[in-house]
Amino acid sequence: GAGVSQTPSNKVTEKGKYVELRCDPISGHTALYWYRQSLGQGPEFLIYFQGTGAADDSGLPNDRFFAVRPEGSVSTLKIQRTERGDSAVYLCASSPGAAGDEQYFGPGTRLTVT
Amino acid sequence: GEDVEQSLFLSVREGDSSVINCTYTDSSSTYLYWYKQEPGAGLQLLTYIFSNMDMKQDQRLTVLLNKKDKHLSLRIADTQTGDSAIYFCAETPDADSSYKLIFGSGTRLLVRP
Repeated sequence: GAGVSQTPSNKVTEKGKYVELRCDPISGHTALYWYRQSLGQGPEFLIYFQGTGAADDSGLPNDRFFAVRPEGSVSTLKIQRTERGDSAVYLCASSPGAAGDEQYFGPGTRLTVT
Repeated sequence: GEDVEQSLFLSVREGDSSVINCTYTDSSSTYLYWYKQEPGAGLQLLTYIFSNMDMKQDQRLTVLLNKKDKHLSLRIADTQTGDSAIYFCAETPDADSSYKLIFGSGTRLLVRP
């Protein structure tokens, strides 16, 4: 079956611009997660959705970052006024339901801010 | 706070065993995980161990957990060139945050033919 998909796979933007990154979870998965992976590092937790609501957004680095999941399926991570330090691979994962279920990761979106 | 440490690089010859080590600081960790990341592919869960276990074996993979020393290891038997990848150790900090994976920086495994 289809796994987690993320679009675009690569995004290059100029400093100060706004970007949106999209995640399509596995069908039927109620939990969705965003992580950020900087070069040479492991992924860092950003936000966790259970259904439509953000159950934990404590990993979002500042108020330039925002994520939504309006219908409990597709999620969009939005970054305003991008900075060069935002350059990273943004990973999305989904899991069937309960917290602690195995998380299935997508291939990521590589964001480069010039 | 939570911290997970791994060595950066490991090189082994094909057919040998590989041992990748990890240390963590959070004594309330509930689950500990090993993930594999290949270029252009998503993170793949290899195996996990619950914090009240000492060892778990799954085909060529053996996970050892020393909870007293907060040390986790992954042994890959009969390592193959297809095992070349980056391996991440991860923990979930406590039962209330079992959704939040805390990752190490990863160990790059190179398997020489």
